[in-house]
Order: sequence, then C-alpha cells, then structure tokens
Amino acid sequence: ELKVEQNPLFLSMQEGKNYTIYCNYSTTSDRLYWYRQDPGKSLESLFVLLSNGAVKQEGRLMASLDTKARLSTLHITAAVHDLSATYFCAVVDPRTGTASKLTFGTGTRLQVTL
Amino acid sequence: DSGVTQTPKHLITATGQRVTLRCSPRSGDLSVYWYQQSLDQGLQFLIQYYNGEERAKGNILERFSAQQFPDLHSELNLSSLELGDSALYFCASSVDLTTEAFFGQGTRLTVV
Repeated sequence: ELKVEQNPLFLSMQEGKNYTIYCNYSTTSDRLYWYRQDPGKSLESLFVLLSNGAVKQEGRLMASLDTKARLSTLHITAAVHDLSATYFCAVVDPRTGTASKLTFGTGTRLQVTL
Repeated sequence: DSGVTQTPKHLITATGQRVTLRCSPRSGDLSVYWYQQSLDQGLQFLIQYYNGEERAKGNILERFSAQQFPDLHSELNLSSLELGDSALYFCASSVDLTTEAFFGQGTRLTVV
C-alpha cells in the first residue's frame, strides 16, 4: 500500500523567511502533485511533477522531485502572509492503472506571521 | 472555479439517515473521483468512475455507494449515517485516466 508522509505537520514562520516542506512516499511513482487548501475550501493545484529531477517554480514557491529518493520538496522563499494555508502533496500509484487516483500526504499547515 | 460543480454545499442530517451528494464534472470530462476529508482520516480516495463504469475503489464503506449516470454526472449515496461520517466530500473530474483531475468546492456533511 502506498504511503505518503509530509513534514512538518505545522509550520509557523515569519514573513520574509525561507522554509521547506518535505514529502516522502513509499513506492515508485511517476507523478506527484502539490495542492494548496484554504480553510474549508477546495484543493487548488499548484504543481505537477512528472519526472526525476523535475523542478517547477511559481512565485515564491518551488517544487522538486527526486524519484530515486522518493522525495519531493516544496520550498517557500521570502514568505508572505498570503501563503498561509495547508499544503498537500499527493502521489499517483502506477500499479493501480489509474493516473489520477491520488494518495495524499497528511498536509502541512503553514502560518506566516508578520 | 474548476468547473466541477458539487451540490449541496452544506448538509446537516441526523444519525441513521441517508443522503445523496451530487457532482457535475467539467464539460468533456469522462472520469469522476470521490474523496473524503476528515480530521482523523485526512484526505482519502473513495471511488472512481470512468464513462459510467466503476474503475477504482478505495477505502469506501459498505454503507456508501456511488454511480455515474449516462450524462456523466455522479452521485455519492451515504446511508445509515454515523457521527464519524461528518466530513468534507470532494468530487474531482478528469478528461480521461491519464490526465490531472480538478476538484470541486466540496460538500460539507455534518451528522448530528
């Protein structure tokens, strides 16, 4: 069974600081997603990572994927309050034969303080 | 707005009751997925349909069932509801089995 772990579970950081969220998964996968969720809201897709060494950046967020280590990171640069949300990674298990059936991590609740 | 529509947005019901959650996928999407988000279980995949056929099943309870209709909308039926079924239920849809799925706004179910 595919397991996905994220750490930390909760992250409080000051505006302007940098930090990294980690996502480890237990079996080989060729597709990993990062989502953002505001309280009580839907899941907003941030990044799709499809290959080893993939790196994507959008604004202050950068995601990378190391399929050999089964590790993805979401790096936050110079955090701002608007980034406060819960961030999830989600992995596709290729053994299921369904590319969009996702196994989610536990989520990282990010709080950016002034 | 992802284009995936879920109704109702909120639902409050009593234990033992039955409810139906509805999902209209994005135009052109053939695949529909249901997920449950609860405080203790996190985000879990429940079930997937593709063009009317069940395609994959996750940790879906026997009290829960779903179907996808010829017009491609889907319904998730939850019966004999328990307090622990209180959760946010998401529907997502994708064009086919290989492409990214997009999530609806969710239905917040509260069982009292």
